[in-house]
Amino acid sequence: DIQMTQSPSSLSASVGDRVTITCRASQTISIYLSWYQQKPGKAPKLLISAASRLQSGVPSRFSGGGSGTDFTLTISSLQLEDFATYYCQQSYSTPQVTFGQGTKVDI
Amino acid sequence: QVQLQESGPGLVEPSQTLSLTCTVSGASISSGDYYWSWIRQHPGKGLEWIGYIYYSGSTYYNRSLKSRVTISVDTSKNELSLKLSSVTAADTAVYYCAIGRSSGGFDIWGQGTMVTVSS
Repeated sequence: DIQMTQSPSSLSASVGDRVTITCRASQTISIYLSWYQQKPGKAPKLLISAASRLQSGVPSRFSGGGSGTDFTLTISSLQLEDFATYYCQQSYSTPQVTFGQGTKVDI
Repeated sequence: QVQLQESGPGLVEPSQTLSLTCTVSGASISSGDYYWSWIRQHPGKGLEWIGYIYYSGSTYYNRSLKSRVTISVDTSKNELSLKLSSVTAADTAVYYCAIGRSSGGFDIWGQGTMVTVSS
């Protein structure tokens, strides 16, 4: 199975900071990579698919990049509502999809 | 818009079968290029894909759970179901139903239902 490794596992940031989260796949996955945001007690929310395609309604301060094995999720200017846990997910090996272990962003 | 709602027992005894239902509104479960999915999250942990059923009826399961999982649909009720047999405490988790797309992401999720395996 393809393993997805996120770094860091957690980070502390302030409002207005630029934040970058990295996701690395154990083998090439082209651009079959999605990013999710999850807040406590809530279901995950899809932010980005196909590595860089922003979902409708997602603020433009979120952006995704990368291809092959290395990917990034960047929040250009962190807002209060962005404090959450973020997950990457590969779908290259569909139907066997896998998620990263998550990155918690807190104050 | 499409909405998903999970339901089922919150407590299941070890060795029994966990059975959950996901009621779909706003879309027909038998049409569209959708992957009707189940995903779970152990307490305080990350997300684990369990499996999905494609609108054509084909099913796909996580290899680690395949021997215990059955996903099916009831088109008359527009419901998705999950059955997980021989459960142990390790199956204690929040269970989500979700819609996967050909783009690869799961863009619609239910609110999740917590299932505890305990005697």
